[in-house]
Amino acid sequence: SQTIHQWPATLVQPVGSPLSLECTVEGTSNPNLYWYRQAAGRGLQLLFYSVGIGQISSEVPQNLSASRPQDRQFILSSKKLLLSDSGFYLCAWSTREYLGTGELFFGEGSRLTVL
Amino acid sequence: DAKTTQPNSMESNEEEPVHLPCNHSTISGTDYIHWYRQLPSQGPEYVIHGLTSNVNNRMASLAIAEDRKSSTLILHRATLRDAAVYYCIQIQGAQKLVFGQGTRLTINP
Repeated sequence: SQTIHQWPATLVQPVGSPLSLECTVEGTSNPNLYWYRQAAGRGLQLLFYSVGIGQISSEVPQNLSASRPQDRQFILSSKKLLLSDSGFYLCAWSTREYLGTGELFFGEGSRLTVL
Repeated sequence: DAKTTQPNSMESNEEEPVHLPCNHSTISGTDYIHWYRQLPSQGPEYVIHGLTSNVNNRMASLAIAEDRKSSTLILHRATLRDAAVYYCIQIQGAQKLVFGQGTRLTINP
């Protein structure tokens, strides 16, 4: 069966420090991969999605970046964190190119607090 | 991005049916309607989706209006574990799901 792993689960970082969140999917190949962010009390904001290795689409301009070095690995990074980067970061995957007929599977999330 | 409208919050009692409404007046003929729910401190989970006709699965039922401008998620017998934020999403485009604010459902024992 397919599983998705995110780490770290919890992170406290000072302003200006770098960030790296990692997500891996097991049990499937060539998934679509997604990073969402949920600020406190807010809805989910799509940050990046990827349909293949090295292919990244950015939805929101910000100081974050994403990379997909391997088929089932998706990394979210920042060189210098801002206070506004605090939130709950969720990785997700889908096997279907058109989400209308499929579903999105989410990881357990990484909670980032920037102080 | 396509926008859906949901009530901010709803409340129901345990073991009673719950009807969660959603308006999607800008929907076009090929747009699917998806529902996800998010329990506290967890990622969202898929509930159900549909295009034109009503849909049933083990979790819920989805009733889609004839003009497709609205839909209702039906939880037939709510339990305390159904307390969550429910998102109604109109899918446009091939590869991304855009979430709105959702409806926070409270279940009273």
